[in-house]
Amino acid sequence: NAGVTQTPKFRVLKTGQSMTLLCAQDMNHEYMYWYRQDPGMGLRLIHYSVGEGTTAKGEVPDGYNVSRLKKQNFLLGLESAAPSQTSVYFCASSYGTIIYNEQFFGPGTRLTVL
Amino acid sequence: SQKIEQNSEALNIQEGKTATLTCNYTNYSPAYLQWYRQDPGRGPVFLLLIRENEKEKRKERLKVTFDTTLKQSLFHITASQPADSATYLCALDIRTGGFKTIFGAGTRLFVKA
Repeated sequence: NAGVTQTPKFRVLKTGQSMTLLCAQDMNHEYMYWYRQDPGMGLRLIHYSVGEGTTAKGEVPDGYNVSRLKKQNFLLGLESAAPSQTSVYFCASSYGTIIYNEQFFGPGTRLTVL
Repeated sequence: SQKIEQNSEALNIQEGKTATLTCNYTNYSPAYLQWYRQDPGRGPVFLLLIRENEKEKRKERLKVTFDTTLKQSLFHITASQPADSATYLCALDIRTGGFKTIFGAGTRLFVKA
């Protein structure tokens, strides 16, 4: 069991460039999430998905798009990167049931936008 | 406005003592509350979950309390060890049709040998 994996681990972009972050989970979880973490601000939810083919906005969705074409994958896209998007990005997944919603996190992607 | 507050100042304690971390929230009605541990350069790791109708939950040296009247959770680590040094995040699960999780900024704990 690999759990939650993220690629790439590090990336440097120039302003205006685009990129896609890939998250994969092998636990058959229904829910998947993308967060960003900035110093002193904790984890902020960007987008999430409650099942294959569904997505929803979180707290800070502007400038990002997501897709969940397969249950095990959740992609986060930046169409035109800005320096304000410099952050550490974490993907997570969970069963999402009413009883138990422990989230399993990936190792993170450190993104720098110059 | 809705807020989750954790002590932004680091907590320094001596090995063997009990560490107590606080999580306060306003204008949320969480279904349950979770605590996570995060080490530098790593993703958070789940520790404990407590439901809105539970007052206390224990797991080994960890204890969590949840007071929905005070809108506060306390997280205790007894007999603390230097290996407990990390950042601890509290997270509220909010019913929004499904569930959405809101994280606090975390409290850094240092346990001195």
